[in-house]
Amino acid sequence: QSVLTQPPSVSGAPGQRVTISCTGSGSNIGAGYDVHWYQQLPGTAPKLLIYGNSNRPSGVPGRFSGSKSGTSASLAITGLQAEDEADYYCQLYDSRLSGWVFGGGTKLTVL
Amino acid sequence: EVQLVESGGGLVQSGGSLRLSCAASRFTFRNYWMSWVRQAPEKGLEWVASIKADGSDKYYVDSVKGRFTISRDNAKNSLDLQMISLRVEDTAVYYCARTGSGTYYHFYGMDVWGQGTTVTVSS
Repeated sequence: QSVLTQPPSVSGAPGQRVTISCTGSGSNIGAGYDVHWYQQLPGTAPKLLIYGNSNRPSGVPGRFSGSKSGTSASLAITGLQAEDEADYYCQLYDSRLSGWVFGGGTKLTVL
Repeated sequence: EVQLVESGGGLVQSGGSLRLSCAASRFTFRNYWMSWVRQAPEKGLEWVASIKADGSDKYYVDSVKGRFTISRDNAKNSLDLQMISLRVEDTAVYYCARTGSGTYYHFYGMDVWGQGTTVTVSS
């Protein structure tokens, strides 16, 4: 059981907007720790999608955006495309643990 | 292109040992924290260990403390993970990942990943 909770799965049709939530607590996300998001396509290594809650690394399309509010963070994908079908993970560094924590992951299915 | 290449995975019996390596190229390795992250079959990602840029600080997930040792050689641009007393539950793909630089390294997440190396521990 991770301290960061994600829905196991979400789905959407091409062109639609989907959001993936990452729920923490007052001792991690709510305490101000920065949330990162990763995309893992089938059979490949994870790829950093969003860092520092809402920042996109170079090369990541603007269709992907991140936000944080209270004890939760969200990843939004607009203009859904077939190639977005992947597993998505949230993550943060918890200084109380001196370590990194991942959410359980969310499988996105493009209908 | 910035690159990380892992090696050293394989099949080992429970209680055995294995040493993983990660070769870094095309970035200033000595400036960055580095981490190992693993993924058990059909499971999610799990952080394993991280090491500071100069090697002076090391952190581990509780389940591997006392059994795994992370180390680095900045002269050779390499990162290692020595694993002893391996358990069946250590079976996973192990990734090395670049993990930010400077005081606020944790703001940047893990921005470069290797392709992974597979460790299988049999009973």
